[in-house]
Amino acid sequence: DAGITQSPRHKVTETGTPVTLRCHQTENHRYMYWYRQDPGHGLRLIHYSYGVKDTDKGEVSDGYSVSRSKTEDFLLTLESATSSQTSVYFCAISESAGSTEKLFFGSGTQLSVL
Amino acid sequence: AQKITQTQPGMFVQEKEAVTLDCTYDTSDPSYGLFWYKQPSSGEMIFLIYQGSYDQQNATEGRYSLNFQKARKSANLVISASQLGDSAMYFCAMREGLSGGSYIPTFGRGTSLIVHP
Repeated sequence: DAGITQSPRHKVTETGTPVTLRCHQTENHRYMYWYRQDPGHGLRLIHYSYGVKDTDKGEVSDGYSVSRSKTEDFLLTLESATSSQTSVYFCAISESAGSTEKLFFGSGTQLSVL
Repeated sequence: AQKITQTQPGMFVQEKEAVTLDCTYDTSDPSYGLFWYKQPSSGEMIFLIYQGSYDQQNATEGRYSLNFQKARKSANLVISASQLGDSAMYFCAMREGLSGGSYIPTFGRGTSLIVHP
């Protein structure tokens, strides 16, 4: 399995403060993703990256920015957190092996914006 | 329009019985992949099964099988011999875009499965 870690696991912050979540992988995968999970909505894509400095917007990108300065790290930043950004955030990477593909997920970050 | 539709918000099944979780998808990309994930109450996302759009046979992984009906654009998950530990949220997902250069997985809203003893 791919080595993927997210930090922090839990975060409580106040409205208006900046927040950065980190996703780290150990196996040099090209594609990395940030999703948010909310009840009734499943997982929705925020941003994704297809290489160093190559990123693009997903379905729910407003209020979020990302950076990927190294292959192994993909950062998600909430420039000014709002209560609507309270959610569980998952990082994921994609891996292909023969005819099978998989997405591997980090453990998730529970973010609460008060 | 949703790309992945899971019409069953909740399902119940008796232990040891089989259960089918529905998933339909919408894409015009000829090359795509379909996934199912399990999310137990602990919150982790667990990969279950994958089906490529060009695969002729239905994918199987132990007690899990994917009933792939390409013309109907459906990719239902079948769990045979349900166990109490199968109680979880199940998400269907589709990866589009290899032919276009990007690789973007989209998820459905999930189905909550409860297995009764």
